[in-house]
Amino acid sequence: IAGITQAPTSQILAAGRRMTLRCTQDMRHNAMYWYRQDLGLGLRLIHYSNTAGTTGKGEVPDGYSVSRANTDDFPLTLASAVPSQTSVYFCASSDQGLAGVGEQFFGPGTRLTVL
Amino acid sequence: QQPVQSPQAVILREGEDAVINCSSSKALYSVHWYRQKHGEAPVFLMILLKGGEQKGHDKISASFNEKKQQSSLYLTASQLSYSGTYFCGTSKAGSYQLTFGKGTKLSVIP
Repeated sequence: IAGITQAPTSQILAAGRRMTLRCTQDMRHNAMYWYRQDLGLGLRLIHYSNTAGTTGKGEVPDGYSVSRANTDDFPLTLASAVPSQTSVYFCASSDQGLAGVGEQFFGPGTRLTVL
Repeated sequence: QQPVQSPQAVILREGEDAVINCSSSKALYSVHWYRQKHGEAPVFLMILLKGGEQKGHDKISASFNEKKQQSSLYLTASQLSYSGTYFCGTSKAGSYQLTFGKGTKLSVIP
């Protein structure tokens, strides 16, 4: 593994189904993030984790949950998918320094379609 | 609150210059700039901290005006490889999260 990886690359999901998007980084970064990207809306933060064992809500957390059991992994779960969750999902990680949030490294993204 | 980027889109010919602006109504601690090519993940360009500093990266530079709560990205003598969508991300003091703007789509044509 080099950098940050996401799985699956893409997925078509029936509404009401449960889905977990996986994210793994090997850079030993403290912080990890989940964003969704929709056309014309930019990147919107769903959930974040400043360090292993802690998580927080971003701008659009409803319908999503996360966990951070260790430094490397940060899965995003959709408990019961709805069509409005159709989007491209990016996971990112960064170091945190005295100056606050550092450079964010993004994974390749997961394209999710909910029908 | 999401920062406001302007313009939303711009088309340039190779060799021309461009300025992309990012404004916030809230006090900012840092501004990040990222570029995303079609179908790819965003890639980091630079970070600016409050204090009005200016940074450069090849022919791409940026400034941060703390009083105006605004950052500007300057692309000089644009190349075809500069095409993509540029996003600014802002953070407040003590925060480790970024709020991104909606992006500016830059197209450089021969």
